[in-house]
Amino acid sequence: RKEVEQDPGPFNVPEGATVAFNCTYSNSASQSFFWYRQDCRKEPKLLMSVYSSGNEDGRFTAQLNRASQYISLLIRDSKLSDSATYLCVVNIDRGSTLGRLYFGRGTQLTVWP
Amino acid sequence: NAGVTQTPKFRILKIGQSMTLQCTQDMNHNYMYWYRQDPGMGLKLIYYSVGAGITDKGEVPNGYNVSRSTTEDFPLRLELAAPSQTSVYFCASSYSMSYSYGYTFGSGTRLTVV
Repeated sequence: RKEVEQDPGPFNVPEGATVAFNCTYSNSASQSFFWYRQDCRKEPKLLMSVYSSGNEDGRFTAQLNRASQYISLLIRDSKLSDSATYLCVVNIDRGSTLGRLYFGRGTQLTVWP
Repeated sequence: NAGVTQTPKFRILKIGQSMTLQCTQDMNHNYMYWYRQDPGMGLKLIYYSVGAGITDKGEVPNGYNVSRSTTEDFPLRLELAAPSQTSVYFCASSYSMSYSYGYTFGSGTRLTVV
């Protein structure tokens, strides 16, 4: 079973729509959670960290449910510039000197005018 | 502030050839990483380093080697290139093990082995 599972999409939504991505992780020892954004043929960039109480950054809201091992990202009022692949990322500390980051395959979003 | 710089951006290798992917960062980060990303797949960790002189294997280290002689540089060596090593390679660095600051990635090297 993969450490991080995401629906690959693609999600195609009109401008102004609200869209939600989900992600599940398999290891209950996971400690830190992130959403990264990756534009076509570019490097991943940190979009936001995900905190236990949930957190918001402008039009983006991230939620974490530790009991269900589930992470979500909600994008409100979608813009054309939101078109990208969104990567769910989980840090698992197995007691070694370095906690590992595990990347999901990504969910592709296309926002159309 | 350049961040993480990778060279080359593109490369075509023949089977059996060798090459070194260069990575340098100017943020004084102790932690550096090499990932590969195959089409439609998540990033897989190849090697990582927690400081100069210290490296360790990640998830998919076979066919690769690394060294970390300075804080700034973390080159990845491919010996005897194989078609299975066709991929996009990303170098990354981070300040903290807590990952609250995230990783800073280089722009990637697109490698094709023919």
